[in-house]
Amino acid sequence: QKEVEQDPGPLSVPEGAIVSLNCTYSNSAFQYFMWYRQYSRKGPELLMYTYSSGNKEDGRFTAQVDKSSKYISLFIRDSQPSDSATYLCAMKETGGYQKVTFGTGTKLQVIP
Amino acid sequence: GAGVSQSPRYKVAKRGQDVALRCDPISGHVSLFWYQQALGQGPEFLTYFQNEAQLDKSGLPSDRFFAERPEGSVSTLKIQRTQQEDSAVYLCASSRQQETQYFGPGTRLLVL
Repeated sequence: QKEVEQDPGPLSVPEGAIVSLNCTYSNSAFQYFMWYRQYSRKGPELLMYTYSSGNKEDGRFTAQVDKSSKYISLFIRDSQPSDSATYLCAMKETGGYQKVTFGTGTKLQVIP
Repeated sequence: GAGVSQSPRYKVAKRGQDVALRCDPISGHVSLFWYQQALGQGPEFLTYFQNEAQLDKSGLPSDRFFAERPEGSVSTLKIQRTQQEDSAVYLCASSRQQETQYFGPGTRLLVL
């Protein structure tokens, strides 16, 4: 079993819909949680970065972390065709070392 | 050009050939990471440098993989005697100490 599990999709939604992306993990030492967006043939770019449990909002994006359930989510409101990409959850343990463990990514398509 | 750059962007190699992939990190970034991303998967950690020191190479899949960063800036990932299973996108990321990792566009390697 992988340390981080993510539904690969693909997920197809109409423009304007609310999108929910999720990951589960098994390593209770993970303290830092990230969501990356990766367009086709590009490198991942950081969208959201949260520490420990709680919510964080940035524009149309909201990240949630529930450490008790080992479950993280990314919500996208008012989805746009430009949001069509692969979304990767990522996590790392606390401390100085920065090794990041990624999920497999969920491919999202927002249809105009 | 303030981002991470990688070259070549695409590389086709015959099985058994040696390849060298280059990463130019963001100026001033102390930390440098290499990841391997297979088709439809998330990035998998290969190795980590802090300045010129290779502090973690636990993700390198075999002794055919070798990475260096001799002057603490540019890094090269070398793969000897390439095999078909080495076909993947190789991503480089850099960061300031203990901060967000910024990814390059990747080198897409195809071994025939």
